[in-house]
Amino acid sequence: AQTVTQSQPEMSVQEAETVTLSCTYDTSESDYYLFWYKQPPSRQMILVIRQEAYKQQNATENRFSVNFQKAAKSFSLKISDSQLGDAAMYFCAYRSGSTSGSRLTFGEGTQLTVNP
Amino acid sequence: DSGVTQTPKHLITATGQRVTLRCSPRSGDLSVYWYQQSLDQGLQFLIQYYNGEERAKGNILERFSAQQFPDLHSELNLSSLELGDSALYFCASSVTFIKTDTQYFGPGTRLTVL
Repeated sequence: AQTVTQSQPEMSVQEAETVTLSCTYDTSESDYYLFWYKQPPSRQMILVIRQEAYKQQNATENRFSVNFQKAAKSFSLKISDSQLGDAAMYFCAYRSGSTSGSRLTFGEGTQLTVNP
Repeated sequence: DSGVTQTPKHLITATGQRVTLRCSPRSGDLSVYWYQQSLDQGLQFLIQYYNGEERAKGNILERFSAQQFPDLHSELNLSSLELGDSALYFCASSVTFIKTDTQYFGPGTRLTVL
């Protein structure tokens, strides 16, 4: 079974600075997808970014980018120019590429605080 | 707003009772997923339906059941409730179940069992 590990329960960053959240995963599959979801105090789960394992290029969405290291099974999220609205719990998630594997497997989450 | 709706937003009930959580997927989405978020278990997948049929089952207790109706809305039924069932229950939807689909989450139902 696949597992996802987020080793940083809490992180903090100064407004306008850059922060990196770590995620590692374990799988024997070669075809899979990785995601970062954001959960603000409203508790809504919001998709931040996704990465296809077959793509070598790291995904980028505005101020959010990932560092995908397939051999190391590492998938970190970099938030640039941090804003107060980025404060939230961030979850890393894995999805198998097989047709029967559509469930998301989540890590434990990292609580990000943004200091003004 | 993801387009996925869940009702009710909050539910408070007593041990031993039965509740029903409802989810309406985004327009056009055929797949519905249920997830449970609790303090001790984290976020975990419960069950998936696609176009009315059960497609995948995760860590769902036998006391829990779900179904997806012809209009594609889904209900999660929780019975013989225990204190440990207190959690945030999310519904997510996607167009189908293929690997390129993105799951969009609803706002969740907060269940408190007293």
